[in-house]
Amino acid sequence: EADIYQTPRYLVIGTGKKITLECSQTMGHDKMYWYQQDPGMELHLIHYSYGVNSTEKGDLSSESTVSRIRTEHFPLTLESARPSHTSQYLCASSGRGSYNEQFFGPGTRLTVL
Amino acid sequence: KQEVTQIPAALSVPEGENLVLNCSFTDSAIYNLQWFRQDPGKGLTSLLLIQSSQREQTSGRLNASLDKSSGRSTLYIAASQPGDSATYLCAVRHNYGGSQGNLIFGKGTKLSVKP
Repeated sequence: EADIYQTPRYLVIGTGKKITLECSQTMGHDKMYWYQQDPGMELHLIHYSYGVNSTEKGDLSSESTVSRIRTEHFPLTLESARPSHTSQYLCASSGRGSYNEQFFGPGTRLTVL
Repeated sequence: KQEVTQIPAALSVPEGENLVLNCSFTDSAIYNLQWFRQDPGKGLTSLLLIQSSQREQTSGRLNASLDKSSGRSTLYIAASQPGDSATYLCAVRHNYGGSQGNLIFGKGTKLSVKP
């Protein structure tokens, strides 16, 4: 059973607000990922990290930023939310000892009004 | 650029049927392939992971096969149940000469099993 957590699960917020989506895992995984998924569409990788103080942008351009100060924690921040940011955000992690099998959190559904 | 295609996009079957979901990928230089299940509005649950050197993996009523040379994988679900209704996603991890890339996902097959 994978132990990866995301908070909040649902967030409705007004335009221009700063938001942070939290993601934590207790598996000691070195790699963590953020994906964006619109309803009925495929997942797109927006950020990833291969370890502490390492972050990279993914395949899909995003106005969000991430940080990796601790192994277990990989928060995503939007400085000024817009309606175009409305989507589901999924966090995942993988470790070296499991062929990089990727485990996902439950997701955060963000709605920006 | 690696592309992953899943056919069919949607499938509706009566309870009890055996079924096959298909996944194809354009670049055979993969490290592994992973099948996931996603329930509406939820995260992904890992079902099976097949290393590039393996031909198949089994877990309960699920069996996944991999033919790397032809760029294909299938997920076989035996004796389907209404609880199997979900979207099934296939994803491949590229092998860049020994280092692994990130997962590339297909769009998924939405399965509905009718009681």
